[in-house]
Amino acid sequence: QKEVEQNSGPLSVPEGAIASLNCTYSDRGSQSFFWYRQYSGKSPELIMFIYSNGDKEDGRFTAQLNKASQYVSLLIRDSQPSDSATYLCAVTTSLNSGYSTLTFGKGTMLLVSP
Amino acid sequence: DTAVSQTPKYLVTQMGNDKSIKCEQNLGHDTMYWYKQDSKKFLKIMFSYNNKELIINETVPNRFSPKSPDKAHLNLHINSLELGDSAVYFCASSQDIPDGGPTDTQYFGPGTRLTVL
Repeated sequence: QKEVEQNSGPLSVPEGAIASLNCTYSDRGSQSFFWYRQYSGKSPELIMFIYSNGDKEDGRFTAQLNKASQYVSLLIRDSQPSDSATYLCAVTTSLNSGYSTLTFGKGTMLLVSP
Repeated sequence: DTAVSQTPKYLVTQMGNDKSIKCEQNLGHDTMYWYKQDSKKFLKIMFSYNNKELIINETVPNRFSPKSPDKAHLNLHINSLELGDSAVYFCASSQDIPDGGPTDTQYFGPGTRLTVL
């Protein structure tokens, strides 16, 4: 069973701080990595994807990937109360059928206090 | 325009009933998915179709039967509903079969909250 692990949280940060969300995965063959945000009662929405080792920045968000350590993270700079949500890490993993699919972590709840 | 839509949004029914959920995507994607998100918020793949062909069937009870009449639609029929089927069911789509590239990105519908009494 290929797994994606995240700390369930909640991770509490004050407004304006940097929030750091972490994710580890077990499938060494994974090639694409995603961060989704899910507000309570809503569907997951894509924040970022990353395929190569290193950092990828998009506005206040930076995704970091280290395939050797099987680790992916998301940094949120200048955190806002509107960032309060559950953040899901998703990793492309291969199945016994030969197909691949996204495997999701259980998510980290982020709470940003004003 | 909604990219991935699902109906109904809420579904409340009695144990033993049969129900269906419908999904449509207007993104022109070839691959569609059904996920189940339980009370602990864990999102788990159930089925995937690529161009109307079933490609992923993840140990789901055979009371669940997906059907894809065309590549823009994926429906889920559930027979003999049980209490444990209560969850939020999400439909999603991606451009193609996941292969480690940009087309792996999945876009989700708004979800169907199923409550079995």
